[in-house]
Amino acid sequence: DAGVIQSPRHEVTEMGQEVTLRCKPISGHNSLFWYRQTMMRGLELLIYFNNNVPIDDSGMPEDRFSAKMPNASFSTLKIQPSEPRDSAVYFCASSLRTSGGIFANTGELFFGEGSRLTVL
Amino acid sequence: KQEVTQIPAALSVPEGENLVLNCSFTDSAIYNLQWFRQDPGKGLTSLLLIQSSQREQTSGRLNASLDKSSGRSTLYIAASQPGDSATYLCAVSHRGSGNTGKLIFGQGTTLQVKP
Repeated sequence: DAGVIQSPRHEVTEMGQEVTLRCKPISGHNSLFWYRQTMMRGLELLIYFNNNVPIDDSGMPEDRFSAKMPNASFSTLKIQPSEPRDSAVYFCASSLRTSGGIFANTGELFFGEGSRLTVL
Repeated sequence: KQEVTQIPAALSVPEGENLVLNCSFTDSAIYNLQWFRQDPGKGLTSLLLIQSSQREQTSGRLNASLDKSSGRSTLYIAASQPGDSATYLCAVSHRGSGNTGKLIFGQGTTLQVKP
């Protein structure tokens, strides 16, 4: 398996521009996570999808951020307009979440290599 | 609110030494705990996953323990090697409200193993 695939690996853009980050989860996984990592705040969960449906987007910093998962094999995280404080490494991760109501459990998480975003 | 703390923040040891990394969490209502390794400029690699009903997991020279009642986990690395140099992150899958299975991370311990 190729693992979680993210693109681009590096993005440098100017303030105000739109940024789109892409993720292909591991085939067969039903949960997808977008995380952001900075020196100051460490790893923060931005949004989480289960079976392509957004479950928890409480970590999305503001309306400038949006995420979609149109099918089980693709997700995007979009920032419009971008600001210098958005500079960070953005990670996508996927897992196989077991079903079972309150006993549902997030399985082992597998991360992509990350997309390093620099907004000038 | 679940908080995860890792101590120490950084650790430097000579090659061959056995070492222990610590992780503590404030809320024992977890599904599982995962230890990850992160190399500079890279993503996170899952090392061990311990379910809330388990006490420990082992993989090669790595052993992770979980004491849910006291909110603690340790990662034991035996016979450390320079290739073990990396940042080690602990994360708990918090039950919380809404059953989101959200992973909450500690800040990590940066390990340097000197030849």
